[in-house]
Amino acid sequence: GQQVMQIPQYQHVQEGEDFTTYCNSSTTLSNIQWYKQRPGGHPVFLIQLVKSGEVKKQKRLTFQFGEAKKNSSLHITATQTTDVGTYFCAGGRNDYKLSFGAGTTVTVRA
Amino acid sequence: AAGVIQSPRHLIKEKRETATLKCYPIPRHDTVYWYQQGPGQDPQFLISFYEKMQSDKGSIPDRFSAQQFSDYHSELNMSSLELGDSALYFCASSLGLAGSSYNEQFFGPGTRLTVL
Repeated sequence: GQQVMQIPQYQHVQEGEDFTTYCNSSTTLSNIQWYKQRPGGHPVFLIQLVKSGEVKKQKRLTFQFGEAKKNSSLHITATQTTDVGTYFCAGGRNDYKLSFGAGTTVTVRA
Repeated sequence: AAGVIQSPRHLIKEKRETATLKCYPIPRHDTVYWYQQGPGQDPQFLISFYEKMQSDKGSIPDRFSAQQFSDYHSELNMSSLELGDSALYFCASSLGLAGSSYNEQFFGPGTRLTVL
């Protein structure tokens, strides 16, 4: 079953607005990875967070790892049409397994 | 830079036929993962191999089998195909097991399997 929960499942955003997708695990994670899959494409690695409370930025994308290492978030500011796609979080566990969330599919209204 | 190669990219089969999907990981990557992704769904983990040994098993049907060869490429063998097997099959590779730190997965372009 799904060990990493991700919400929302769908995010419809007006171009220029901000949005956040959240990832929650019932167990402590060793790391959290984020992937983006464009329509018709394959998942592409975006970033990995390892430390408790870690925050990383990639241009308009801000990634956070919770203090308890059980949750993470991806915040996108000033959404652009190039942000369209599905964003997956994947939690790494101490047994070296990676559990994918169900993904947040983002559509952008111009 | 070299990426993960999957072949074929598209495959059409009839019910009850067999199919073999191939994956060539990024050079020096020792870990291969297979995923099945249905329309609008997240990738469902099937099976993984680390250093040619099965490292983890997910929701892989008994009709499917896989192996990793000495050159680290992997093949997913699917028998008695059913309509529900129609999906996009991704292979991913990593250097070391992906759950451990710093080992992100690099996904191939996928094989789209259609079972008629």
